[in-house]
Amino acid sequence: DQQVKQNSPSLSVQEGRISILNCDYTNSMFDYFLWYKKYPAEGPTFLISISSIKDKNEDGRFTVFLNKSAKHLSLHIVPSQPGDSAVYFCAASETTSGTYKYIFGTGTRLKVLA
Amino acid sequence: DGGITQSPKYLFRKEGQNVTLSCEQNLNHDAMYWYRQDPGQGLRLIYYSQIVNDFQKGDIAEGYSVSREKKESFPLTVTSAQKNPTAFYLCASSIGGRFSGYTFGSGTRLTVV
Repeated sequence: DQQVKQNSPSLSVQEGRISILNCDYTNSMFDYFLWYKKYPAEGPTFLISISSIKDKNEDGRFTVFLNKSAKHLSLHIVPSQPGDSAVYFCAASETTSGTYKYIFGTGTRLKVLA
Repeated sequence: DGGITQSPKYLFRKEGQNVTLSCEQNLNHDAMYWYRQDPGQGLRLIYYSQIVNDFQKGDIAEGYSVSREKKESFPLTVTSAQKNPTAFYLCASSIGGRFSGYTFGSGTRLTVV
């Protein structure tokens, strides 16, 4: 039972254009979401977060949008750069549970073409 | 610099052997986690610990064991009972509490030969 889903295993985008990575979740109790970026043979690094009380959060080229009614979030990268080529994971947590653990999606491999 | 150190980076194990993966953090984080990454399956939680001397099973704990005797250390033992241990293992830590994310180590690639 996959509670966090990233239905696109891969995505290719031209340099300078927008990259949109999508994530869907099933548990309505999730109230905090993270995006991580991962290069091969390395640990994931934190990109951006959003709480369920917001519908948008921006940090430089990265913007995360949350649609609670659709149980959907997306990460926008504008403009995309070749160094953005990596696997992106979304993660969700039910922070009121007291365990503070995250459920991760399966990841989307982004390739930015120069 | 503070961070999480996982060692070794690559590990080979013969079938039937137990092997221990090291995870050390100097971030003064209370909570630590072990995840496993397999192709197409994302990161799956093995065990987690929110405080010293206490830990909880995650979604795929069978065949694994952990200990948390010190705040800084959370070693993972992959036992011979783990049917398919070949994977990339990631250790993470967090301050704990609501709205705190993870800091990850660089991972250990375990291969059964």
